[in-house]
Amino acid sequence: NAGVMQNPRHLVRRRGQEARLRCSPMKGHSHVYWYRQLPEEGLKFMVYLQKENIIDESGMPKERFSAEFPKEGPSILRIQQVVRGDSAAYFCASSPPRQANTGELFFGEGSRLTVL
Amino acid sequence: QKEVEQNSGPLSVPEGAIASLNCTYSDRGSQSFFWYRQYSGKSPELIMFIYSNGDKEDGRFTAQLNKASQYVSLLIRDSQPSDSATYLCAVTNTGGFKTIFGAGTRLFVKA
Repeated sequence: NAGVMQNPRHLVRRRGQEARLRCSPMKGHSHVYWYRQLPEEGLKFMVYLQKENIIDESGMPKERFSAEFPKEGPSILRIQQVVRGDSAAYFCASSPPRQANTGELFFGEGSRLTVL
Repeated sequence: QKEVEQNSGPLSVPEGAIASLNCTYSDRGSQSFFWYRQYSGKSPELIMFIYSNGDKEDGRFTAQLNKASQYVSLLIRDSQPSDSATYLCAVTNTGGFKTIFGAGTRLFVKA
């Protein structure tokens, strides 16, 4: 299965700890997006990355949150000093390079963060 | 004003009926429009996309776009209980760099 892979699927952290969520895009995809979904709510855009570049981080909180997509390896969403309000499902999506891009996003299964 | 607005529902229809889901968006420069389906606890999956004004049909699904009114809709004909899910309207912003989602409409199809 060459789909979007996210891990961990479930993560429990205590307040003040760090959470790291990883995403490997589909083979051949060079664009990665992170979305956050609170219970019973829609997907909130956080950040859009290409390899080694952050293209749009307008949805990312200014503090405690960061994202990267290195030349080698998965994209990582990092949340420092987690608070209870960070509890949510974090979805990663990928899409092909622009010339082959219909705009469709291919989603991973999500990482569900619970902050105690 | 939210960038993409949908009625949260729930929308309840009997099996075999037509379900009509609506969406409005604020960015006049938006170019691409999508409908995703999300089952509870699962990830969104694409159902339809539409780029041009008018209707686009795919099986039991029809997407309708009216750019002048900034309005997108999804019709589901012959609704089935398996169609019960949350339907997310999504719009790419001017420049097409990011996709904005509505809060979703919950659909229940009663057997």
